[in-house]
Amino acid sequence: AQSVSQHNHHVILSEAASLELGCNYSYGGTVNLFWYVQYPGQHLQLLLKYFSGDPLVKGIKGFEAEFIKSKFSFNLRKPSVQWSDTAEYFCAVTPGGYNKLIFGAGTRLAVHP
Amino acid sequence: DVKVTQSSRYLVKRTGEKVFLECVQDMDHENMFWYRQDPGLGLRLIYFSYDVKMKEKGDIPEGYSVSREKKERFSLILESASTNQTSMYLCASSLVGSENIQYFGAGTRLSVL
Repeated sequence: AQSVSQHNHHVILSEAASLELGCNYSYGGTVNLFWYVQYPGQHLQLLLKYFSGDPLVKGIKGFEAEFIKSKFSFNLRKPSVQWSDTAEYFCAVTPGGYNKLIFGAGTRLAVHP
Repeated sequence: DVKVTQSSRYLVKRTGEKVFLECVQDMDHENMFWYRQDPGLGLRLIYFSYDVKMKEKGDIPEGYSVSREKKERFSLILESASTNQTSMYLCASSLVGSENIQYFGAGTRLSVL
């Protein structure tokens, strides 16, 4: 079955630390890749997406992600986190030709001042 | 901005009750989705609809049904609520041809006692 794996369920960082959240998917064909973020008490919103082209994509609030096809990975990065980045982050995949999103289990990030 | 509105933020129901969760989107999107979000499991697709009166089962449709009588409205129905349906329910919509970028509502937290 198609699946999305997020390696870290909980991450705790201090402000200014660097962040990398892992995401791997199991589908072998063409995929669209997404990172969504859910801030406390808010709705899920799109952070960034990859459809094609440059495998390094930039999103809102200084986040970026790199698509590595050979590793079936789409890791999320931020060089220096802020307290306001405290949220839950979800990686999601749409296999080519489908209109369904397959989500990972999510990673809860807590950033301490 | 796309707006996806879920009628209730919090609901408390009794076991065996019939429960209706309503979702309305204002951007004329063809696709609408219902997910449930549980800690450690991410978002799991219950049902989706790609047109009025059309529906398809997602990954966990048991115990649920849906209704889409108008393009902007997608209802999730729990025919006989059970305690294991206590969860956060998220509605989303997307435009055909938009590479499946989904826009989410704020969620309904349902407690079944």
